[in-house]
Amino acid sequence: AQSVTQPDIHITVSEGASLELRCNYSYGATPYLFWYVQSPGQGLQLLLKYFSGDTLVQGIKGFEAEFKRSQSSFNLRKPSVHWSDAAEYFCAVGPGSGGFKTIFGAGTRLFVKA
Amino acid sequence: DTAVSQTPKYLVTQMGNDKSIKCEQNLGHDTMYWYKQDSKKFLKIMFSYNNKELIINETVPNRFSPKSPDKAHLNLHINSLELGDSAVYFCASSLGDSGNTIYFGEGSWLTVV
Repeated sequence: AQSVTQPDIHITVSEGASLELRCNYSYGATPYLFWYVQSPGQGLQLLLKYFSGDTLVQGIKGFEAEFKRSQSSFNLRKPSVHWSDAAEYFCAVGPGSGGFKTIFGAGTRLFVKA
Repeated sequence: DTAVSQTPKYLVTQMGNDKSIKCEQNLGHDTMYWYKQDSKKFLKIMFSYNNKELIINETVPNRFSPKSPDKAHLNLHINSLELGDSAVYFCASSLGDSGNTIYFGEGSWLTVV
């Protein structure tokens, strides 16, 4: 069965510092991987996704993520965090073609301090 | 123009009542979902419809009954509401299967008292 683990419930970084949010997944085949962001009181918005090809994917708002098959990881990174990045971040795994069940991790809350 | 819109946004109701949440998407998608987000932000899929047919029903109590009158709408009716039903319910849609981007509504905050 597919599953997603986000080991960090919350992370605090200083504005301008770099960020890495961890995500590990369990899936029998090559999964479809996603990162979503949820601002307070809002729905989820897609940051980026990985299906195949280049293992380093670029997303919106300056985020990137790297797929590492050997580590079953899909960590999200940003070189310089802005105060507006404070939000909840969700990693998700989907079965891809022919499947309709995307599983979300428990989320990581990002706090940004001035 | 809201892509995925759901109403009401806030709902406070008493135990035992029956309530509905409506959802509409104007993206031309053929797949719609209901997700439940609990107080710890955990997001769990409840139902998925593809071309108006139910394809995922994730061990949700049968007090919850989704209805999809057409591909653009997926409503959620809840009978005999319980305290544990208090959560945020997100409607979402995608084009085709879950390999495609899922677009979420802004959520419906349900509080059962």
